[in-house]
Amino acid sequence: QKEVEQDPGPLSVPEGAIVSLNCTYSNSAFQYFMWYRQYSRKGPELLMYTYSSGNKEDGRFTAQVDKSSKYISLFIRDSQPSDSATYLCAMGRNTGGFKTIFGAGTRLFVKA
Amino acid sequence: NAGVTQTPKFQVLKTGQSMTLQCAQDMNHEYMSWYRQDPGMGLRLIHYSVGAGITDQGEVPNGYNVSRSTTEDFPLRLLSAAPSQTSVYFCASSPRGGGPYEQYFGPGTRLTVT
Repeated sequence: QKEVEQDPGPLSVPEGAIVSLNCTYSNSAFQYFMWYRQYSRKGPELLMYTYSSGNKEDGRFTAQVDKSSKYISLFIRDSQPSDSATYLCAMGRNTGGFKTIFGAGTRLFVKA
Repeated sequence: NAGVTQTPKFQVLKTGQSMTLQCAQDMNHEYMSWYRQDPGMGLRLIHYSVGAGITDQGEVPNGYNVSRSTTEDFPLRLLSAAPSQTSVYFCASSPRGGGPYEQYFGPGTRLTVT
């Protein structure tokens, strides 16, 4: 079983739609939960991170973490064509050594 | 600030050749890491460093060496290239305390081994 599972997509939505991206993970030791955005042929860029369970909002983006279900989500409101990218979920810990694992990424296309 | 820079952008090697991928950061970050990204596999950690003079292995370290003599630089050496090392390599840095969650990535090096 992979430590993190992420649907690769692609996910295609019309402009203005609400997008929901999700990941599941298996190791309950992770403390930090991140979402990165990666444009084609570029390096990943950090969108947001949360510590432990709960919600975090940043503009049009909302991250949710449910540690009891080992499930994390990213919601994008009022999606724009510029949001078209691959979104990587990630989990990390710094106890027992530095470790961050990444999902394989979901490709998102937002059509104008 | 230039952030995290990587050279070269592209490289083609023959099996058995060695080379060094360069990574530098100008943010005075303590943590630096090397990842490889393969289709359908996500980013996988090769080696990381929590400060100058300190390195440790990640998930897929075989065939790679690192050293960290300065805070700014973290080169990755391929000892004897193999086709299985064809990948996109990313270097990342993190500030003190932000290691697992606040990583800044470079633009990547696309390596092909024939």
